[in-house]
Amino acid sequence: EIVMTQSPATLSVSPGERATLSCRASQSVNSNLAWYQQKPGQAPRLLIYVASTRATGIPARFSGSGSGTEFTLTISSLQSEDFAVYYCQQYNNWPRTFGQGTKVEIK
Amino acid sequence: QVQLVESGGGVVQPGRSLRLSCAASGFTFSSYGMHWVRQAPGKGLEWVAVIWYDGSNKYYVDSVKGRFTISRDNSKNTLFLQMNSLRAEDTAVYYCARDYGAVYEYWGQGTLVTVSS
Repeated sequence: EIVMTQSPATLSVSPGERATLSCRASQSVNSNLAWYQQKPGQAPRLLIYVASTRATGIPARFSGSGSGTEFTLTISSLQSEDFAVYYCQQYNNWPRTFGQGTKVEIK
Repeated sequence: QVQLVESGGGVVQPGRSLRLSCAASGFTFSSYGMHWVRQAPGKGLEWVAVIWYDGSNKYYVDSVKGRFTISRDNSKNTLFLQMNSLRAEDTAVYYCARDYGAVYEYWGQGTLVTVSS
């Protein structure tokens, strides 16, 4: 099973600032990496797939990069609605696995 | 618009069974693979199972193999998860999700399963 490790666990950021979230895979997942956003009491929402492709309707301030084992999600200028938990997920191998999440909170 | 509505959750004793359903609408259900993903209270996401669009292939996370069965009825646009021999560690919100190139583009609102005596 591929283990996905996200860092940091919590990121404190002021509105308007840049946020950088990391995700590391225990072995290569090529570019088969997705990012999801989850707000309290809601289902997750797909943000990014194939490491860097934004899903439909996702604002351009969200960007993804990386391949192999190292990936990054960047939110260029945090808006109030972006404070949430973010998960990475690999879909290169079975079973599909998620990272433990990074909580982005207001500083 | 795409809608996924889960049902069937509730409180169940350890060792008992429960069957979850996910009613799909707003798209051609028989053309898409479908997944179950769960989230224990206050924890992260865990992929549980997938079924191919035509039911020809199914995969499970190791922790549920032999206990859970994913199935679908394309004539009724419904996905199922039969959960047997339930354990306390199966307590979670269970989401169904539509496959989109192996990622999950649409999710239901989830149904809570609590395994407790």
